[in-house]
Amino acid sequence: DTEVTQTPKHLVMGMTNKKSLKCEQHMGHRAMYWYKQKAKKPPELMFVYSYEKLSINESVPSRFSPECPNSSLLNLHLHALQPEDSALYLCASSPKRQGTNNSPLHFGNGTRLTVT
Amino acid sequence: GIQVEQSPPDLILQEGANSTLRCNFSDSVNNLQWFHQNPWGQLINLFYIPSGTKQNGRLSATTVATERYSLLYISSSQTTDSGVYFCAVGEPTTSGTYKYIFGTGTRLKVLA
Repeated sequence: DTEVTQTPKHLVMGMTNKKSLKCEQHMGHRAMYWYKQKAKKPPELMFVYSYEKLSINESVPSRFSPECPNSSLLNLHLHALQPEDSALYLCASSPKRQGTNNSPLHFGNGTRLTVT
Repeated sequence: GIQVEQSPPDLILQEGANSTLRCNFSDSVNNLQWFHQNPWGQLINLFYIPSGTKQNGRLSATTVATERYSLLYISSSQTTDSGVYFCAVGEPTTSGTYKYIFGTGTRLKVLA
């Protein structure tokens, strides 16, 4: 699945830095997701946007700030992160077709984040 | 929330062998997917299979929603099948969005 594009692929940042992760899809999907994956663990849901509005926040610390500027773009703004926030951050989208349950996830290749 | 368990947690196969991976979930679901995560971290969508049976080459999957489990079959395994296999189930929310919960994963290693 390469129809969801994430940038950058790798990011190293200090604890006082501010950085952003970007995600883009052009499949017309109306639901977009951020997941966090630590080594040897399954992906954990962080945020869900539906029609560009924040739909789900899984009690994520405020140092992670999502943004959905339009239906194709999803950002994750990072500030004052801790070393334990180092992980693979995955973006996904789904069609969210009205009136059906058919809503499979399509993932990007992820951003591997290291906080020093 | 829905609990999703996968078995076995680890599996080592000789190239050419067959295997069955299992995904159990604690509540009825309308969405279920199987993914393969390769060593580079890419999550590859294998099947979207909320019910029934599907086949794609050497892989097939069956979901019995009423009994709350899904199976992924890998036949004639190859070294490129190595990686982690996840099932993910979609839990509907009040906002109309599905909240996808991942299973614990099965780590597969295929030996040449």
